[in-house]
Amino acid sequence: LAKTTQPISMDSYEGQEVNITCSHNNIATNDYITWYQQFPSQGPRFIIQGYKTKVTNEVASLFIPADRKSSTLSLPRVSLSDTAVYYCLVGDITGGFKTIFGAGTRLFVKA
Amino acid sequence: SAVISQKPSRDICQRGTSLTIQCQVDSQVTMMFWYRQQPGQSLTLIATANQGSEATYESGFVIDKFPISRPNLTFSTLTVSNMSPEDSSIYLCSVETGQGVENTEAFFGQGTRLTVV
Repeated sequence: LAKTTQPISMDSYEGQEVNITCSHNNIATNDYITWYQQFPSQGPRFIIQGYKTKVTNEVASLFIPADRKSSTLSLPRVSLSDTAVYYCLVGDITGGFKTIFGAGTRLFVKA
Repeated sequence: SAVISQKPSRDICQRGTSLTIQCQVDSQVTMMFWYRQQPGQSLTLIATANQGSEATYESGFVIDKFPISRPNLTFSTLTVSNMSPEDSSIYLCSVETGQGVENTEAFFGQGTRLTVV
């Protein structure tokens, strides 16, 4: 499983776009990149997943450069309720995927 | 998707005792996972529970301390045995569902907050 590196914490203000970058230099060919969000006293929740280029859903966008050694989670116009820990995970999702969590990024959204 | 129910949601236990945590899923899944999350920390995988076979434990976790049962495809239990204050943590159950290669995601229960006194 590829090791991931993320900033420990980030601060933002309501209405701003937040970009959280994750480094995964040892990503393997079959590995996918997945991001989870965790609020206090809750289990993590899936946000977005991608293999290459750009993926967008109703919650976020995921940018993956051609070399796939990093990825950026983009949260448009954050609100106070987006304050949470965001985890970047990398692994082979085929045939049973053991979800291994790194340290995560604590995002604080201020009014 | 999958909906996971964990019981109990929290408990305070005496050291030296054991607690069994239950995890119920609303659909049949091949693998179930148990995690531990200590205060302010990330999640650490304890073991993978497969139906019909012994659980597979991660480094640092052993069956004698964390016995796991997986009697069917929708249910699993994790027991925290001979507890000490260091076992105070949140324990989470997880399953993975997906459709083929993409959109494989993990679903988590709300967790069991354990305090050992």
